[in-house]
Amino acid sequence: KAGVTQTPRYLIKTRGQQVTLSCSPISGHRSVSWYQQTPGQGLQFLFEYFSETQRNKGNFPGRFSGRQFSNSRSEMNVSTLELGDSALYLCACAGNEAFFGQGTRLTVV
Amino acid sequence: GQNIDQPTEMTATEGAIVQINCTYQTSGFNGLFWYQQHAGEAPTFLSYNVLDGLEEKGRFSSFLSRSKGYSYLLLKELQMKDSASYLCAVRDRADSWGKLQFGAGTQVVVTP
Repeated sequence: KAGVTQTPRYLIKTRGQQVTLSCSPISGHRSVSWYQQTPGQGLQFLFEYFSETQRNKGNFPGRFSGRQFSNSRSEMNVSTLELGDSALYLCACAGNEAFFGQGTRLTVV
Repeated sequence: GQNIDQPTEMTATEGAIVQINCTYQTSGFNGLFWYQQHAGEAPTFLSYNVLDGLEEKGRFSSFLSRSKGYSYLLLKELQMKDSASYLCAVRDRADSWGKLQFGAGTQVVVTP
């Protein structure tokens, strides 16, 4: 569904660098979740934010972090990038329909 | 542990019906979702079941049996554009509104 906007759409980074991805949820939605999708591991939950507070966290190393702003926009950050972090990163607005944004495809070289 | 299982691949002919099964074992249950994902794209929401029974939405229907930990997605009158991966996902807690656990996905191939 239109309304969940992720930027940038594509990103190429070098090992050791850090990256910040952005997600703007559907207007009025206060819950934002982040997922990582790779061919080997499928779709895996990273974290969920609600009203600027992290409500849940998946099983990922501390290099993965996020935050949410008062306007519900969210960012996730990955520090010290590794080749294995290459993935499609998806943001979703939670609810009975849980809509996804178009994702950010991150390639680490 | 927590498990969501679905078949890896299914092939069907254009115009036919395909049923994709999903079984789950999770610590709790607060809803089951089905998504369609075309290659290189984000998942698109198809259906949400929280109570037992069948939900119908056009050519797509989804069924849930909570006692059996089982759901299926039924695709009728298959079209070539239905070739995609179909993902089953479970929300296991009411206070984890945005945390879904996904199955590995079922690749549906529609042939002419």
